[in-house]
Parts: sequence; structure tokens; C-alpha cells
Amino acid sequence: KQEVTQIPAALSVPEGENLVLNCSFTDSAIYNLQWFRQDPGKGLTSLLLIQSSQREQTSGRLNASLDKSSGRSTLYIAASQPGDSATYLCAPYLYNTDKLIFGTGTRLQVFP
Amino acid sequence: DADVTQTPRNRITKTGKRIMLECSQTKGHDRMYWYRQDPGLGLRLIYYSFDVKDINKGEISDGYSVSRQAQAKFSLSLESAIPNQTALYFCATSDHPGQSSYEQYFGPGTRLTVT
Repeated sequence: KQEVTQIPAALSVPEGENLVLNCSFTDSAIYNLQWFRQDPGKGLTSLLLIQSSQREQTSGRLNASLDKSSGRSTLYIAASQPGDSATYLCAPYLYNTDKLIFGTGTRLQVFP
Repeated sequence: DADVTQTPRNRITKTGKRIMLECSQTKGHDRMYWYRQDPGLGLRLIYYSFDVKDINKGEISDGYSVSRQAQAKFSLSLESAIPNQTALYFCATSDHPGQSSYEQYFGPGTRLTVT
């Protein structure tokens, strides 16, 4: 069974710091991997999608890398801001089950 | 207008009542999904549909049923609601993951409370 682990589970930092959020998954047979942001009680917003053939994707201050062979993805957030406070979820899409599998997330708080 | 809409956004109901949650999408996607989210458990798949005639159970389908009325509409029913079905429910849509246009889009969620 695919397991998706996100470390750390929670993070509290002052604004301006560069952050690293980690995601690991046990089944490397994936189509792609998506990173989402979720604000409390709200829906999921897609941040970045990395195809299995890609090594990284960038959007503004966000950069996501993928090492499929080792089952790892990392989300880098540069120059963090209070508005980045949210829960970040990673979700690989598996070949074998044809489904998206979610980690339990990293809850980020950035304080002024 | 939002690509994926869900109604109602909030609902409080009593144990034993039947309730329907509705989802509509304007993305033109064939695939639609229903998830529930509980604190500490992440998102879990309830049902999914790869086209109008293809409906499949997810990992936690007991106590739920679905109907795909059209490509754009996918509804989730709780036949006899129970308190442990209190959760945040999300609908999502996507293309096939092998397509270059693939991305999974989520609705805003329905907060359901069963008393």
C-alpha cells in the first residue's frame, strides 16, 4: 500500500526564512506529483505539478523537486511571508491504482 | 465563476437522515472524485468516476452512494447519516493523468455535521 509521509508535520518560522518541506512515498511508479496548499476549513489550491519525467518545477517563490527513484519530493519556499501560512499537501498519482494519494500535510505558520 | 462548485457549503443534519451533496464542474473533465477530510487523517477517497458510465468505490465507500448525472455533475449521498460521517467533503475533477493537461482541481468543500 502506498504511504505518503510529510516532514515536518508542523513548522513555525519568522518571515523571511527559506523553507524546505519534505514528502516521501513508498511506490515510485507514479504519473506525477502535485503540491497543494490548504487554508483552514477551505479547499485545496494546486501549487505545482511535476510530471514523472521532470526533476523540478518553479512558480514564483516556490520550487518543487522530484526524485522518483528514491521516492522523494521537496517543496522550497523562498523568503517566506505571513501569507504563506497554511497546510501544504503533497500527492503522488499512482500508476497501479490510478489514484491520487495524499500525505497528511505540513502545517506552516510564518509570523511577522 | 469557480471551475468546481459544491452545494451546500455547510450542512447540519440529524442521525438517520438522508442527505445529498452536489458537485458541478465546468472544466470539461471526464474524471470526478469525492473525498472526505478528517483532522489527522488527511484526505481519503470515497468514490470516483472516470466517465458517466464508470463509477468505482474508493477506500471508504461504506455508508455512501454516488450518482453521475452528466459529465459535469457528480453527487454524493449519505443514505442514513451517522455522527462519524461528520467531516469536510471535497469534490475534485481531472483529465487522465497521462495527459499533458492533467491537474486535479478541487471544489471549496462542504462541511457536514451529523448530530
